[in-house]
Amino acid sequence: EDKVVQSPLSLVVHEGDTVTLNCSYEVTNFRSLLWYKQEKKAPTFLFMLTSSGIEKKSGRLSSILDKKELFSILNITATQTGDSAIYLCAGGTNTGNQFYFGTGTSLTVIP
Amino acid sequence: NAGVTQTPKFRILKIGQSMTLQCTQDMNHNYMYWYRQDPGMGLKLIYYSVGAGITDKGEVPNGYNVSRSTTEDFPLRLELAAPSQTSVYFCASRRGPGEKLFFGSGTQLSVL
Repeated sequence: EDKVVQSPLSLVVHEGDTVTLNCSYEVTNFRSLLWYKQEKKAPTFLFMLTSSGIEKKSGRLSSILDKKELFSILNITATQTGDSAIYLCAGGTNTGNQFYFGTGTSLTVIP
Repeated sequence: NAGVTQTPKFRILKIGQSMTLQCTQDMNHNYMYWYRQDPGMGLKLIYYSVGAGITDKGEVPNGYNVSRSTTEDFPLRLELAAPSQTSVYFCASRRGPGEKLFFGSGTQLSVL
């Protein structure tokens, strides 16, 4: 059965801290790993990873994929209260039809 | 571009009622999806479509139906609503394989 598991389920940090969110996957015909940020409603896209070992960066956020160990991490440095959200990861398949989502990590950043 | 538009944003149904959740996208995307999100459960795929006239079941299709008569529209039909269908529903689309998903703003549905 295809599945994506995220950890931790929730996290509370202080502004300025660095956090690492984890995503492990077991997806048949794996093609890509996607990260989304969900604040009030609709998830917004952060990263798509397809190659192992190549870090993607956007400001204070970065992510990397390990296709041998079947996991990805999302790092957020110098956290701000605006980073408070649920972070979702999803595994996509080569058939191109489905994404398997994890349950998400709820991040709360305290001033 | 409006992106992916869902209506309504909120709805309360009585048990046994039916309704259609509307989804339209103006990005000319071939692939469209319906997900439901329950607290602590992540997003579960209900139905998807890879083009007009083609639909297929996802992980949790029971109690739902879809149609895809045009590239733009992908409505989700609930027949005989049940409390277990209380959830937040998201429509999403993408151009094709290897592309990211774009999400609509969601529909909060309560069945009482």
